[in-house]
Amino acid sequence: LAKTTQPISMDSYEGQEVNITCSHNNIATNDYITWYQQFPSQGPRFIIQGYKTKVTNEVASLFIPADRKSSTLSLPRVSLSDTAVYYCLVGPTGGFKTIFGAGTRLFVKA
Amino acid sequence: EPEVTQTPSHQVTQMGQEVILRCVPISNHLYFYWYRQILGQKVEFLVSFYNNEISEKSEIFDDQFSVERPDGSNFTLKIRSTKLEDSAMYFCASSDRSSYNEQFFGPGTRLTVL
Repeated sequence: LAKTTQPISMDSYEGQEVNITCSHNNIATNDYITWYQQFPSQGPRFIIQGYKTKVTNEVASLFIPADRKSSTLSLPRVSLSDTAVYYCLVGPTGGFKTIFGAGTRLFVKA
Repeated sequence: EPEVTQTPSHQVTQMGQEVILRCVPISNHLYFYWYRQILGQKVEFLVSFYNNEISEKSEIFDDQFSVERPDGSNFTLKIRSTKLEDSAMYFCASSDRSSYNEQFFGPGTRLTVL
């Protein structure tokens, strides 16, 4: 399974766009990139998944360059309630073992 | 919206006692998982379960742990003889496709071993 590297923490202000980058240099051909959000004392919540280029949903966008060795989760106009830990996961959709890294702790200030 | 439920929300037990943590996955899901998260640390995979058998387990999931799907709705994690270091939040998750597809997590059971 590909190892992922993310910043440990990030600060932002309400209304700003936040971009969290994840490095996954040894990503395999059949690996997908998945992002989860976790609030304190809650289970992780799926945000978005992609394989290449750009994926957008109502919550976020995911940008994946052509070499797929990194990915960027973009959160538009964050609010205080977006303060959470964000995890980047890389692995094959056909596998059974899901590995979470340390995640990025995002703190949104007023 | 369907959701994964877990009971109890908090379990306190004495070291050496057996505990059973219960989960009700989303009804049409086929893949089930248990994770744990020690306070302040990352989410750790314990085990995945599909087609009534364990698909994969981590090195944490030793002989003290077992999982069961006793009926069509419940999915349980049993810890046979709890240790102090088993104190953690335990999350159940389910999905309609395997692993790196979207998993739906329950609210967790906080296990405290005294």
